[in-house]
Amino acid sequence: AQKVTQAQTEISVVEKEDVTLDCVYETRDTTYYLFWYKQPPSGELVFLIRRNSFDEQNEISGRYSWNFQKSTSSFNFTITASQVVDSAVYFCALSERGSEKLVFGKGTKLTVNP
Amino acid sequence: EPEVTQTPSHQVTQMGQEVILRCVPISNHLYFYWYRQILGQKVEFLVSFYNNEISEKSEIFDDQFSVERPDGSNFTLKIRSTKLEDSAMYFCASSEGESKNIQYFGAGTRLSVL
Repeated sequence: AQKVTQAQTEISVVEKEDVTLDCVYETRDTTYYLFWYKQPPSGELVFLIRRNSFDEQNEISGRYSWNFQKSTSSFNFTITASQVVDSAVYFCALSERGSEKLVFGKGTKLTVNP
Repeated sequence: EPEVTQTPSHQVTQMGQEVILRCVPISNHLYFYWYRQILGQKVEFLVSFYNNEISEKSEIFDDQFSVERPDGSNFTLKIRSTKLEDSAMYFCASSEGESKNIQYFGAGTRLSVL
């Protein structure tokens, strides 16, 4: 069965600190896809990144970076030099090859204080 | 930038009433989805829809739920006889092609069942 665990329920940092959000997944499929979504206080879900199981290259986009490690079934998300606007709930999600659905973790609420 | 549009943003209804939640997916997208998020909890998959039929559904999506694409632009979720536990945020999403394409979400409809 597919499962996504985000062990950190809430994280609070001060602006300009770096912060890493953890995501651990479970799947029996060898082909799968991992996602991160951001849910700001306004409530919408904003797509951040998608990775497939065959691409373990880390990715950097501005202040955001992602570390995908199949050996530990983890797909962690780091925000460098955090800003107040980064305050949101961040969801990690998994989709298996044979399924249409996204399976979400419970989310990590990030609060960046000025 | 194209976006998924959901109406209304907030729907209040009495227990036992029927509600229809509306979504306008991104125009060239072919796959459509409904998810729900009970307050403070994770986002849960309800149903996916492709080529005018349901392609996958979850255990939550029982006989009281139905989906329809009544015309070329709208995608609706109907709840026949609402229960208190149906109170949640309902998200519509669409993707361009076969799954594993990125699912883009609307801002959600908050359903409150009294």
